[in-house]
Amino acid sequence: SQKIEQNSEALNIQEGKTATLTCNYTNYSPAYLQWYRQDPGRGPVFLLLIRENEKEKRKERLKVTFDTTLKQSLFHITASQPADSATYLCALDIPSGTYKYIFGTGTRLKVLA
Amino acid sequence: ETGVTQTPRHLVMGMTNKKSLKCEQHLGHNAMYWYKQSAKKPLELMFVYSLEERVENNSVPSRFSPECPNSSHLFLHLHTLQPEDSALYLCASSQDKDEYTQYFGPGTRLTVL
Repeated sequence: SQKIEQNSEALNIQEGKTATLTCNYTNYSPAYLQWYRQDPGRGPVFLLLIRENEKEKRKERLKVTFDTTLKQSLFHITASQPADSATYLCALDIPSGTYKYIFGTGTRLKVLA
Repeated sequence: ETGVTQTPRHLVMGMTNKKSLKCEQHLGHNAMYWYKQSAKKPLELMFVYSLEERVENNSVPSRFSPECPNSSHLFLHLHTLQPEDSALYLCASSQDKDEYTQYFGPGTRLTVL
């Protein structure tokens, strides 16, 4: 079955630096991959979606890459700010014909001022 | 706000109680979801409704009973729960089966004593 691994449970970086979060999957390549942000006690908020035929997607300070050969997606936040501190989740579709997705456990990012 | 509301935000109940969680989406979406999020575990999909019809029941115990009276409202009825059911219960919606992005509510923090 498909498994998702997100690099580390927690990541601390200095303000202004680029944060890079990793999402690895173990089995089939998904048709698309999503990244969500979750703040404590809140529901996840959609950030970016990248499809299997796309190498890179950008939105303001966010960038997502998708490498089906490495079975990996990287999520970058450039010029990071303390307000970027949150847990970031990746999610993959399951090609079962229904509405199924699987989520990773997330990486908790802390941007230090 | 994402356009998805959940009530109550916090709930404490005994194992013999019966309670209900409510979700309402103001986005005009056709699909709604219930997820369970436990500490250090990925989001677990519980139920999926499309146009008020249940299309997915992810092997959830019968002590959880969903109800979708219309495309804007979703309920999760709880009875005779176990302490291990304590978790954050998240509701989400999406436009339709071709729209993969999900919009989550803030969740209900459930504690079963």
